[in-house]
Amino acid sequence: AQKVTQAQTEISVVEKEDVTLDCVYETRDTTYYLFWYKQPPSGELVFLIRRNSFDEQNEISGRYSWNFQKSTSSFNFTITASQVVDSAVYFCALSGTGGFKTIFGAGTRLFVKA
Amino acid sequence: EAQVTQNPRYLITVTGKKLTVTCSQNMNHEYMSWYRQDPGLGLRQIYYSMNVEVTDKGDVPEGYKVSRKEKRNFPLILESPSPNQTSLYFCASSSSGSNSYEQYFGPGTRLTVT
Repeated sequence: AQKVTQAQTEISVVEKEDVTLDCVYETRDTTYYLFWYKQPPSGELVFLIRRNSFDEQNEISGRYSWNFQKSTSSFNFTITASQVVDSAVYFCALSGTGGFKTIFGAGTRLFVKA
Repeated sequence: EAQVTQNPRYLITVTGKKLTVTCSQNMNHEYMSWYRQDPGLGLRQIYYSMNVEVTDKGDVPEGYKVSRKEKRNFPLILESPSPNQTSLYFCASSSSGSNSYEQYFGPGTRLTVT
């Protein structure tokens, strides 16, 4: 069975602090896909990144970076120099082979205070 | 504009009164899914569809039906809604192309069953 664990329910930081959101996953598939989505207070769900199981390269996009480690089954997300606009719920998700069935973590609510 | 639309956005109904939530996408995506979002549980997949006339159960299919008669539409049917189906529902679509399995979400439908 597949599982995604986001152990941090809520995180509160002050603007300009760095923050890392943890994601640990379980799957028996050899090919799988990992995602991060953002849900701001307005409620929509916004795609941030996808990683394939065969591509362990870390990625940086502006203030966002992702660290994928198959050895520890983790796909962590770091926001550097956080801003108030980063306040949102962040979801980590896992899709197995074929990309159909998708399991989401419970989400981490990030509060960034000015 | 590429988008996923859902209707209605808000719905209050009574136990046992059949309802349908519509979902439509204009991106020619093969894959579509329905999720429900409940506090502390993240998003849970109800049903997904790999293409026209091909659907399968997600993790929480009980009490729901779907159909995929056209590629762009994927309605969610609650034949006899119950209060435990009060939730926020999201439809999503994705493809197996270059943006493999990245899901585009609709704006959500907030359903209350009394």
